[in-house]
Amino acid sequence: DAGVIQSPRHEVTEMGQEVTLRCKPISGHDYLFWYRQTMMRGLELLIYFNNNVPIDDSGMPEDRFSAKMPNASFSTLKIQPSEPRDSAVYFCASSPKVQGFSDTQYFGPGTRLTVL
Amino acid sequence: QKEVEQNSGPLSVPEGAIASLNCTYSDRGSQSFFWYRQYSGKSPELIMFIYSNGDKEDGRFTAQLNKASQYVSLLIRDSQPSDSATYLCAVRGSGNTGKLIFGQGTTLQVKP
Repeated sequence: DAGVIQSPRHEVTEMGQEVTLRCKPISGHDYLFWYRQTMMRGLELLIYFNNNVPIDDSGMPEDRFSAKMPNASFSTLKIQPSEPRDSAVYFCASSPKVQGFSDTQYFGPGTRLTVL
Repeated sequence: QKEVEQNSGPLSVPEGAIASLNCTYSDRGSQSFFWYRQYSGKSPELIMFIYSNGDKEDGRFTAQLNKASQYVSLLIRDSQPSDSATYLCAVRGSGNTGKLIFGQGTTLQVKP
């Protein structure tokens, strides 16, 4: 299995520009998660989906952030307009059904975003 | 109070020693607990999970859980330089939620 695929791996943009991050989860996984990691705040959950439906978006920092999952094999995280404080590594993760206690989240390689 | 707390370290141990990593959590209803390892510049990868009080062993790794004290730990025996990484504690709360809350992570340095 190819694992979770994210693109781009690096993104450098200027303040005010729109940024779109992409994720392809592991085939057959029902859950998809978007995280942001910074030195100051650590790894934070932004939003997660179950069967393409957003379940919890309480971690989305503000209206500038939006996420979609149009089908089981693709999700996007969009920032519009971007700001320097959005600079971080954004991870996508997927997991099989949450059943009991042993659900494992598999992380993609991440997208390193720099907003100038 | 943070929901999941870890000492950021760095924790430095000599090669061959036991490394002890600790984590506390605030939600008493939390159900399951995970330890992820993250090498610099890489993504987190799961090492172990535990959901019952007591110890769970997997090779050189032992996870320990004490729900009464809201405390979970990870022991690494015979530490190797390749164990040098940041270790993230993650907690899944009460209810049928897929959400994990991560601690800030503890950086472990194993010196040859």
